[in-house]
Amino acid sequence: DAKTTQPNSMESNEEEPVHLPCNHSTISGTDYIHWYRQLPSQGPEYVIHGLTSNVNNRMASLAIAEDRKSSTLILHRATLRDAAVYYCILKGTYKYIFGTGTRLKVLA
Amino acid sequence: DTAVSQTPKYLVTQMGNDKSIKCEQNLGHDTMYWYKQDSKKFLKIMFSYNNKELIINETVPNRFSPKSPDKAHLNLHINSLELGDSAVYFCASSYLPTGTDNSPLHFGNGTRLTVT
Repeated sequence: DAKTTQPNSMESNEEEPVHLPCNHSTISGTDYIHWYRQLPSQGPEYVIHGLTSNVNNRMASLAIAEDRKSSTLILHRATLRDAAVYYCILKGTYKYIFGTGTRLKVLA
Repeated sequence: DTAVSQTPKYLVTQMGNDKSIKCEQNLGHDTMYWYKQDSKKFLKIMFSYNNKELIINETVPNRFSPKSPDKAHLNLHINSLELGDSAVYFCASSYLPTGTDNSPLHFGNGTRLTVT
Protein backbone atom coordinates (compact mmCIF):
# COMPACT_ATOMS: atom_id res chain seq x y z
CA ASP A 1 0.00 0.00 0.00
CA ALA A 2 1.29 3.43 -0.92
CA LYS A 3 2.24 5.70 1.97
CA THR A 4 1.89 9.39 2.67
CA THR A 5 4.21 11.78 4.51
CA GLN A 6 2.91 14.82 6.34
CA PRO A 7 4.46 17.29 8.78
CA ASN A 8 3.67 16.40 12.38
CA SER A 9 2.28 19.80 13.20
CA MET A 10 1.54 23.24 11.78
CA GLU A 11 0.28 26.53 13.15
CA SER A 12 -1.85 29.16 11.56
CA ASN A 13 -3.42 32.43 12.58
CA GLU A 14 -7.16 32.68 12.63
CA GLU A 15 -8.76 33.90 9.40
CA GLU A 16 -5.61 33.28 7.38
CA PRO A 17 -5.25 30.61 4.69
CA VAL A 18 -3.61 27.33 5.61
CA HIS A 19 -1.75 25.05 3.23
CA LEU A 20 -1.33 21.52 4.52
CA PRO A 21 1.19 19.53 2.42
CA CYS A 22 1.28 15.81 1.76
CA ASN A 23 3.90 13.77 -0.10
CA HIS A 24 2.95 10.51 -1.74
CA SER A 25 5.80 9.67 -4.10
CA THR A 26 4.76 5.99 -4.48
CA ILE A 27 1.19 6.77 -5.53
CA SER A 28 -0.18 4.49 -8.23
CA GLY A 29 -2.26 5.62 -11.16
CA THR A 30 -5.52 4.45 -9.63
CA ASP A 31 -5.02 5.77 -6.09
CA TYR A 32 -7.37 8.56 -5.07
CA ILE A 33 -6.11 11.18 -2.62
CA HIS A 34 -8.46 11.63 0.31
CA TRP A 35 -8.31 14.04 3.23
CA TYR A 36 -10.01 13.53 6.55
CA ARG A 37 -9.74 15.51 9.76
CA GLN A 38 -10.22 14.51 13.35
CA LEU A 39 -11.37 17.09 15.83
CA PRO A 40 -10.57 16.49 19.52
CA SER A 41 -12.56 13.61 21.02
CA GLN A 42 -14.38 12.92 17.76
CA GLY A 43 -14.15 10.46 14.94
CA PRO A 44 -12.50 11.45 11.66
CA GLU A 45 -14.65 13.35 9.19
CA TYR A 46 -14.35 13.49 5.43
CA VAL A 47 -12.96 16.71 3.96
CA ILE A 48 -12.27 16.23 0.26
CA HIS A 49 -10.85 13.85 -2.32
CA GLY A 50 -9.43 13.96 -5.85
CA LEU A 51 -7.56 12.00 -8.49
CA THR A 52 -5.74 14.36 -10.83
CA SER A 53 -7.52 17.69 -11.07
CA ASN A 54 -7.78 20.29 -8.33
CA VAL A 55 -11.02 20.06 -6.36
CA ASN A 56 -13.06 22.54 -4.36
CA ASN A 57 -15.87 22.05 -1.91
CA ARG A 58 -17.45 24.05 0.88
CA MET A 59 -14.84 22.93 3.39
CA ALA A 60 -11.57 23.18 1.50
CA SER A 61 -9.66 22.97 -1.76
CA LEU A 62 -7.33 20.22 -2.87
CA ALA A 63 -4.40 21.05 -5.12
CA ILE A 64 -2.75 18.02 -6.73
CA ALA A 65 0.69 18.23 -8.32
CA GLU A 66 0.93 17.38 -11.99
CA ASP A 67 3.01 14.28 -11.29
CA ARG A 68 0.60 13.39 -8.44
CA LYS A 69 3.47 12.82 -6.05
CA SER A 70 2.27 15.51 -3.70
CA SER A 71 -0.89 17.38 -2.83
CA THR A 72 -1.94 20.31 -0.67
CA LEU A 73 -5.10 20.79 1.33
CA ILE A 74 -6.05 24.45 1.44
CA LEU A 75 -8.28 25.93 4.12
CA HIS A 76 -9.09 29.37 2.80
CA ARG A 77 -9.75 31.06 6.15
CA ALA A 78 -8.79 29.08 9.21
CA THR A 79 -11.09 29.30 12.21
CA LEU A 80 -10.57 28.02 15.73
CA ARG A 81 -12.95 25.17 14.86
CA ASP A 82 -10.49 23.97 12.21
CA ALA A 83 -7.97 22.93 14.88
CA ALA A 84 -7.69 19.20 14.29
CA VAL A 85 -5.47 16.42 13.00
CA TYR A 86 -5.60 16.32 9.20
CA TYR A 87 -4.98 12.99 7.49
CA CYS A 88 -3.88 12.64 3.89
CA ILE A 89 -4.80 9.17 2.66
CA LEU A 90 -4.29 7.24 -0.53
CA LYS A 91 -7.32 5.11 -1.16
CA GLY A 92 -6.20 1.97 -2.88
CA THR A 93 -7.97 -1.18 -3.85
CA TYR A 94 -10.23 -1.71 -0.91
CA LYS A 95 -9.20 0.25 2.14
CA TYR A 96 -8.02 3.54 3.53
CA ILE A 97 -4.55 3.63 5.09
CA PHE A 98 -4.42 6.42 7.64
CA GLY A 99 -0.99 7.91 8.41
CA THR A 100 -0.01 9.97 11.42
CA GLY A 101 -1.52 13.19 10.10
CA THR A 102 -0.73 16.86 10.71
CA ARG A 103 -1.93 18.47 13.90
CA LEU A 104 -3.14 21.96 12.98
CA LYS A 105 -3.12 24.59 15.69
CA VAL A 106 -5.08 27.77 14.99
CA LEU A 107 -4.05 30.84 16.93
CA ALA A 108 -6.62 33.47 17.86
CA ASP B 1 -29.68 13.17 14.69
CA THR B 2 -26.52 11.12 15.21
CA ALA B 3 -25.57 9.39 11.97
CA VAL B 4 -23.21 6.77 13.42
CA SER B 5 -23.62 6.11 17.11
CA GLN B 6 -21.55 3.89 19.35
CA THR B 7 -22.18 2.69 22.87
CA PRO B 8 -20.70 2.87 25.33
CA LYS B 9 -18.54 5.97 25.00
CA TYR B 10 -16.20 4.78 27.75
CA LEU B 11 -15.48 1.24 28.87
CA VAL B 12 -13.17 0.37 31.74
CA THR B 13 -12.67 -3.28 32.51
CA GLN B 14 -10.19 -5.76 33.86
CA MET B 15 -7.96 -8.14 31.99
CA GLY B 16 -9.62 -11.41 31.11
CA ASN B 17 -13.14 -9.99 30.89
CA ASP B 18 -15.38 -10.15 27.83
CA LYS B 19 -17.01 -6.96 26.57
CA SER B 20 -19.06 -5.71 23.64
CA ILE B 21 -19.30 -2.40 21.81
CA LYS B 22 -22.38 -1.59 19.77
CA CYS B 23 -22.69 0.53 16.66
CA GLU B 24 -25.69 1.72 14.71
CA GLN B 25 -25.95 3.91 11.63
CA ASN B 26 -29.08 5.64 10.37
CA LEU B 27 -27.62 6.74 7.02
CA GLY B 28 -28.95 3.80 5.02
CA HIS B 29 -25.40 2.72 4.20
CA ASP B 30 -24.59 -0.79 3.10
CA THR B 31 -21.08 -1.03 4.53
CA MET B 32 -19.82 -0.73 8.09
CA TYR B 33 -16.37 -0.87 9.62
CA TRP B 34 -14.47 -1.13 12.86
CA TYR B 35 -11.26 0.86 13.23
CA LYS B 36 -8.82 0.89 16.15
CA GLN B 37 -6.87 4.01 17.16
CA ASP B 38 -3.97 3.29 19.47
CA SER B 39 -2.18 5.57 21.90
CA LYS B 40 0.02 6.93 19.10
CA LYS B 41 -3.13 7.90 17.22
CA PHE B 42 -2.62 5.42 14.39
CA LEU B 43 -5.99 4.49 12.93
CA LYS B 44 -6.15 0.95 11.56
CA ILE B 45 -9.00 -0.92 9.96
CA MET B 46 -10.04 -4.11 11.70
CA PHE B 47 -13.18 -5.34 9.95
CA SER B 48 -15.61 -4.36 7.25
CA TYR B 49 -19.08 -5.71 6.56
CA ASN B 50 -21.17 -5.15 3.46
CA ASN B 51 -24.85 -6.04 3.78
CA LYS B 52 -24.09 -8.23 6.79
CA GLU B 53 -21.30 -10.09 4.98
CA LEU B 54 -17.71 -9.87 6.22
CA ILE B 55 -15.53 -8.43 3.44
CA ILE B 56 -12.43 -7.22 5.25
CA ASN B 57 -10.76 -9.02 8.12
CA GLU B 58 -7.36 -7.55 8.85
CA THR B 59 -4.89 -9.44 10.98
CA VAL B 60 -6.89 -9.17 14.16
CA PRO B 61 -6.71 -11.72 17.01
CA ASN B 62 -9.68 -14.07 16.95
CA ARG B 63 -10.61 -12.79 20.42
CA PHE B 64 -12.27 -10.01 18.42
CA SER B 65 -15.52 -11.08 16.80
CA PRO B 66 -17.70 -8.68 14.86
CA LYS B 67 -21.38 -9.37 14.36
CA SER B 68 -23.78 -7.66 12.00
CA PRO B 69 -27.41 -8.55 12.73
CA ASP B 70 -28.56 -6.23 9.94
CA LYS B 71 -26.91 -3.69 7.70
CA ALA B 72 -27.57 -0.84 10.14
CA HIS B 73 -25.76 -2.49 13.04
CA LEU B 74 -22.24 -3.76 13.57
CA ASN B 75 -21.21 -4.89 17.02
CA LEU B 76 -17.77 -5.84 18.26
CA HIS B 77 -17.31 -8.48 20.92
CA ILE B 78 -13.93 -8.91 22.57
CA ASN B 79 -13.08 -12.00 24.62
CA SER B 80 -10.36 -12.33 27.24
CA LEU B 81 -9.37 -8.67 27.18
CA GLU B 82 -5.67 -7.84 27.34
CA LEU B 83 -3.84 -4.66 28.35
CA GLY B 84 -2.85 -4.11 24.71
CA ASP B 85 -6.50 -3.89 23.70
CA SER B 86 -6.72 -0.49 25.37
CA ALA B 87 -7.49 1.96 22.57
CA VAL B 88 -10.26 4.00 21.03
CA TYR B 89 -12.48 1.93 18.75
CA PHE B 90 -14.31 3.71 15.97
CA CYS B 91 -17.24 2.44 14.01
CA ALA B 92 -17.75 3.84 10.52
CA SER B 93 -20.08 3.37 7.58
CA SER B 94 -20.12 4.15 3.88
CA TYR B 95 -22.61 3.87 1.08
CA LEU B 96 -20.57 1.26 -0.77
CA PRO B 97 -17.45 -0.72 0.13
CA THR B 98 -14.34 1.42 -0.16
CA GLY B 99 -13.05 -0.65 -3.03
CA THR B 100 -15.93 0.14 -5.31
CA ASP B 101 -16.12 3.91 -5.19
CA ASN B 102 -15.04 6.95 -3.24
CA SER B 103 -18.06 7.28 -1.00
CA PRO B 104 -16.80 8.91 2.20
CA LEU B 105 -16.52 7.13 5.50
CA HIS B 106 -18.77 8.42 8.27
CA PHE B 107 -17.31 7.77 11.70
CA GLY B 108 -18.86 7.53 15.12
CA ASN B 109 -17.29 9.36 18.03
CA GLY B 110 -15.48 6.33 19.36
CA THR B 111 -15.46 4.07 22.37
CA ARG B 112 -12.49 4.51 24.67
CA LEU B 113 -11.63 1.08 26.05
CA THR B 114 -9.31 0.90 29.04
CA VAL B 115 -8.16 -2.50 30.23
CA THR B 116 -6.60 -2.58 33.70
